[in-house]
Amino acid sequence: KQEVTQIPAALSVPEGENLVLNCSFTDSAIYNLQWFRQDPGKGLTSLLLIQSSQREQTSGRLNASLDKSSGRSTLYIAASQPGDSATYLCAVYNTNAGKSTFGDGTTLTVKP
Amino acid sequence: GAVVSQHPSRVICKSGTSVKIECRSLDFQATTMFWYRQFPKQSLMLMATSNEGSKATYEQGVEKDKFLINHASLTLSTLTVTSAHPEDSSFYICSAPFQGYTEAFFGQGTRLTVV
Repeated sequence: KQEVTQIPAALSVPEGENLVLNCSFTDSAIYNLQWFRQDPGKGLTSLLLIQSSQREQTSGRLNASLDKSSGRSTLYIAASQPGDSATYLCAVYNTNAGKSTFGDGTTLTVKP
Repeated sequence: GAVVSQHPSRVICKSGTSVKIECRSLDFQATTMFWYRQFPKQSLMLMATSNEGSKATYEQGVEKDKFLINHASLTLSTLTVTSAHPEDSSFYICSAPFQGYTEAFFGQGTRLTVV
């Protein structure tokens, strides 16, 4: 059974800092890993999707890496802004079942 | 590109009423749809798997009589929360596998509040 863990559970940083969010998974038989953002009371916004054959994906100030063999992914946020404050979820998409397994999320607060 | 459209995005209903949530796959056929639920301050957990033309498969602990799933066509799956109670208030989201299960697309999610 796939298990996904996100560390830390919460993170508070001053504006402008670079930061890293971590996601680890137990079963490396994945098709892809996706990072989402969820604002309080809102839905999911897809940030980056990394296919199992890829090592990283970049979008603006965001960079996601994937090390499938070690079961790890990181989301790097450069020059953080108060508007980045949200909960960040990673979801692993497994090969066999077609299901996604989500981590518990990291709640990020960027202070002005 | 492939998209999953989920409606409504928000719904408030009275206790005892039923609420239907729809997920449509646009530009592709979704023979399978997954339904997830998120309790407050928790992550998303798989509730059930719907398959076009057959009965849905429910995860352990999910009441099939309360959460009715219908997947009558290759592009539409619905989740009906029957006789909703405040404890059913949650965030519900669907996803559909695409291209031989190599990728899944998510709906926008539905935030249900039962008062």
